[in-house]
Amino acid sequence: DQQVKQNSPSLSVQEGRISILNCDYTNSMFDYFLWYKKYPAEGPTFLISISSIKDKNEDGRFTVFLNKSAKHLSLHIVPSQPGDSAVYFCAATGSNQFYFGTGTSLTVIP
Amino acid sequence: DSGVTQTPKHLITATGQRVTLRCSPRSGDLSVYWYQQSLDQGLQFLIQYYNGEERAKGNILERFSAQQFPDLHSELNLSSLELGDSALYFCASTRSRSSETQYFGPGTRLLVL
Repeated sequence: DQQVKQNSPSLSVQEGRISILNCDYTNSMFDYFLWYKKYPAEGPTFLISISSIKDKNEDGRFTVFLNKSAKHLSLHIVPSQPGDSAVYFCAATGSNQFYFGTGTSLTVIP
Repeated sequence: DSGVTQTPKHLITATGQRVTLRCSPRSGDLSVYWYQQSLDQGLQFLIQYYNGEERAKGNILERFSAQQFPDLHSELNLSSLELGDSALYFCASTRSRSSETQYFGPGTRLLVL
């Protein structure tokens, strides 16, 4: 029962361009959404989050958009840098449960 | 460095065996969460402890159990191991019982042969 889905396993983007990572969810009761970044041999690191009562949250080069009617979440990285190359997980939480997507591997090409 | 430590880093064992994974949360954090990441899968939430008490349960098998000790470190016990239990096991910690931003340890890679 995959309640949070990341349908693109990988994404390649040119340095300086925009990276857009997508995430879909099924449970309308989720009240908080997060993005984590993971490098090899390390645990996930928190990147940015958004409450279900908002539709946008921005932090420097990272912006998360939430479309509740479509049950869709996206992470925009502008401009993309080679150091952004990592696996990105979206996550959702509600009712003391935590659900993660399967991750999207982002490669930023110099 | 998130401040969350996990030991051991790697563990190789045989089917039917029992192992214990250990997690020390960040200083001051009261909540510990355990996750399993199998190959090509997302992180599956297993269980959460807050200040020594179980707070939430996810997809944790009956063969698995966990506890949180008075010094707030936590242990995840996996018994009657099967090949399919081979995975990365992460723990995460937060200050409060419902903080959404979790700080993850580096994980323990378990291989069951």
